[in-house]
Amino acid sequence: GESVGLHLPTLSVQEGDNSIINCAYSNSASDYFIWYKQESGKGPQFIIDIRSNMDKRQGQRVTVLLNKTVKHLSLQIAATQPGDSAVYFCAENSIAGNMLTFGGGTRLMVKP
Amino acid sequence: GAVVSQHPSRVICKSGTSVKIECRSLDFQATTMFWYRQFPKQSLMLMATSNEGSKATYEQGVEKDKFLINHASLTLSTLTVTSAHPEDSSFYICSARPTGTGNQPQHFGDGTRLSIL
Repeated sequence: GESVGLHLPTLSVQEGDNSIINCAYSNSASDYFIWYKQESGKGPQFIIDIRSNMDKRQGQRVTVLLNKTVKHLSLQIAATQPGDSAVYFCAENSIAGNMLTFGGGTRLMVKP
Repeated sequence: GAVVSQHPSRVICKSGTSVKIECRSLDFQATTMFWYRQFPKQSLMLMATSNEGSKATYEQGVEKDKFLINHASLTLSTLTVTSAHPEDSSFYICSARPTGTGNQPQHFGDGTRLSIL
């Protein structure tokens, strides 16, 4: 998701459903991508990462998909829970470099 | 896991005050730390890269004399907002990556909410 003005795009899902959060990145030279979760009033928390030599990586209840052709990244959350409610940011980096560039963020709201 | 501690978590002060924010890596050394600023409902914007033992690197548009950064040890970086004004009110977040791990994620502190009256 990309921010539009001052409003974060919001994804609302029912508890137990699967969630898919999307991100478009801009730098074709980026070779390392990270998803972060940010709860209100807290700093970003690492969820999962993926390097450009992969197109899919799975963690516990989360899967990241990378499509380098269209510069698209997605985060899939299985069996979404109320505790998953937060803002999710993708970030891109060059392994050789230091700096992270963050996407605009998507707010995930889980309805019980 | 790698833990980054940020202090204080919240500051409310009068206009003209200088405010210091500390960022510590608790269980690892970090040659480089990063300072971000986040406005409500927006993403994180990198302000500067803090380098241990040398000058910080500031992003375009960030005043180095306004936002003083000191990285005196491998576990501590400080950001001082000098002569703060209401427009400096924001959420400031630091991050760090263990030294020598260029392909590992940055770990973030829990941020400092700065409110200038």
